[in-house]
Amino acid sequence: NAGVTQTPKFQVLKTGQSMTLQCAQDMNHNSMYWYRQDPGMGLRLIYYSASEGTTDKGEVPNGYNVSRLNKREFSLRLESAAPSQTSVYFCASSEGGKDEQYFGPGTRLTVT
Amino acid sequence: EDQVTQSPEALRLQEGESSSLNCSYTVSGLRGLFWYRQDPGKGPEFLFTLYSAGEEKEKERLKATLTKKESFLHITAPKPEDSATYLCALAGGGGADGLTFGKGTHLIIQP
Repeated sequence: NAGVTQTPKFQVLKTGQSMTLQCAQDMNHNSMYWYRQDPGMGLRLIYYSASEGTTDKGEVPNGYNVSRLNKREFSLRLESAAPSQTSVYFCASSEGGKDEQYFGPGTRLTVT
Repeated sequence: EDQVTQSPEALRLQEGESSSLNCSYTVSGLRGLFWYRQDPGKGPEFLFTLYSAGEEKEKERLKATLTKKESFLHITAPKPEDSATYLCALAGGGGADGLTFGKGTHLIIQP
């Protein structure tokens, strides 16, 4: 039982490049989330998916897109990376939208 | 708008010196108050969920309590391995899913 897994663990991009962050969970959870964590800002919700086939914006969605590929997988895409997107990105999952969430190990992204 | 404020930002204790971390919140219809532990370079690890004022949860040296405006994480006789950042988060009664997080308290336990 791996819980929530994320790939890659580290990534360096140049401004304007694109990439997709992958997330998978094996807990049969309905809801999945993407957060970013910046020094002094705490965790902020980017997008979430309450169930397979649905996605909704969170607090800071600009510059990102998501895909809920199936119940297990939820990806985050940066179409044209900007230095302001340098951050640590965490994926999480939960049984329902108001339940405790379980987090992956994170992806540390640097955009130069 | 749901808000979470944690204090202090950082706390340094001697091993065995008990203390409490504070989480003040404002929310429209609390659905759950959560505590997490985060070690450097890792994702947050779930500790507790509290649902209503007066509720308490315990795990080893940690005890979480909840009032209508605050939650406390009490640490009794801490050990160096309790050093971490402790995060407080809440789920409100609004239509959107997801948690609102505080900025955390960075706890250091010195031997």
